[in-house]
Amino acid sequence: EAGVTQSPTHLIKTRGQQATLRCSPISGHTSVYWYQQALGLGLQFLLWYDEGEERNRGNFPPRFSGRQFPNYSSELNVNALELEDSALYLCASSLGRGRTEAFFGQGTRLTVV
Amino acid sequence: KQEVTQIPAALSVPEGENLVLNCSFTDSAIYNLQWFRQDPGKGLTSLLLIQSSQREQTSGRLNASLDKSSGRSTLYIAASQPGDSATYLCAVSNNNDMRFGAGTRLTVKP
Repeated sequence: EAGVTQSPTHLIKTRGQQATLRCSPISGHTSVYWYQQALGLGLQFLLWYDEGEERNRGNFPPRFSGRQFPNYSSELNVNALELEDSALYLCASSLGRGRTEAFFGQGTRLTVV
Repeated sequence: KQEVTQIPAALSVPEGENLVLNCSFTDSAIYNLQWFRQDPGKGLTSLLLIQSSQREQTSGRLNASLDKSSGRSTLYIAASQPGDSATYLCAVSNNNDMRFGAGTRLTVKP
């Protein structure tokens, strides 16, 4: 069974551009979480989607947004990129609105130059 | 807002030692607590999940306990090996989100 897949693996953008990151959950999982992990720092909660709805968002500016599609895959968009947006972006999926085990993808390394 | 704290931030032990990692959280209204390991620059690997109604879970050399009323969990690693070197993270889930501690960086020296 395929795990959580994220694409692309690496992404290089210039300041001011937009970035789109994608996450495909494990088959049957309806919840997708997004996190930002800057170099040497912990995981900062970005967004939680469940069954197509945004359930919660972390303390990030509105230029961080996303959506969840009918097949439960998800997209994270970052507009007006800033240098400090450079980080590893991780997504996780689970069943049952957070009540079951969560599994992570390998992440997208975003570099803003 | 749920706050998760992990102690110690870093730990270095010789191979073969038993060790304990600690995790504490401020809001006891949780669905579950999960322990992960992360190798440098990689994603997270799930180690153990403890539901809020459970007291402990075991997998191989790993044993995790949960005391929901006091907001604490411990991860016990028996007979540590160099391959256990990684950052260990705990995460608590509730009806709002899944929040992580900052992690404990473990180094097991041969």
